Amino acid sequence: DAMVIQNPRYQVTQFGKPVTLSCSQTLNHNVMYWYQQKSSQAPKLLFHYYDKDFNNEADTPDNFQSRRPNTSFCFLDIRSPGLGDAAMYLCATSQGASNQPQHFGDGTRLSIL
Amino acid sequence: AQSVTQLDSHVSVSEGTPVLLRCNYSSSYSPSLFWYVQHPNKGLQLLLKYTSAATLVKGINGFEAEFKKSETSFHLTKPSAHMSDAAEYFCVVSDLVGGSGNTGKLIFGQGTTLQVKP
Repeated sequence: DAMVIQNPRYQVTQFGKPVTLSCSQTLNHNVMYWYQQKSSQAPKLLFHYYDKDFNNEADTPDNFQSRRPNTSFCFLDIRSPGLGDAAMYLCATSQGASNQPQHFGDGTRLSIL
Repeated sequence: AQSVTQLDSHVSVSEGTPVLLRCNYSSSYSPSLFWYVQHPNKGLQLLLKYTSAATLVKGINGFEAEFKKSETSFHLTKPSAHMSDAAEYFCVVSDLVGGSGNTGKLIFGQGTTLQVKP
């Protein structure tokens, strides 16, 4: 089945140690999104790619970066994770237009030691 | 600016009874509205979407929602709750993102936790 796949499902890293989360899709969608979701909260958009164009949300910390080497893959890099970055990170895709739904992966739960 | 308000943070029903999750929206133009469900430690799954076609939208797993412009509401209903429906539900409106293309940015409600009692 076409889908959005996130690896790993659970990631543990140390305070200040860089970590990379990955997302792949078989939907061939042109837009890929990264969200941060903390406990009992709605997902918060960090940034998105429209094809190769990167769009950062104004309140996304500089500590968070992203790469999209091709249509299928997108990475979230956290350069120096702090305790406050512990959360579920969700990747989603859509086929552009605002009336199209986003398709979500199952997320990566990040823990900081 | 677009916004969404979910009127109940927590709803509890008995198995086999109807479900009603309430959502009001604010939009300066004809909105695209969605309901998503999230089970524990999972991603969000699309239940249904409204995109200016029929006002009564049928979704997966027996859920449906009715778009009422006069009331700016998009309430989610199901005739008979099942234990597997226990989850977090998000009402979402899609906003246009400036810059590249015509990308949709999701504006989430605060979420409603549905508890289903046996």
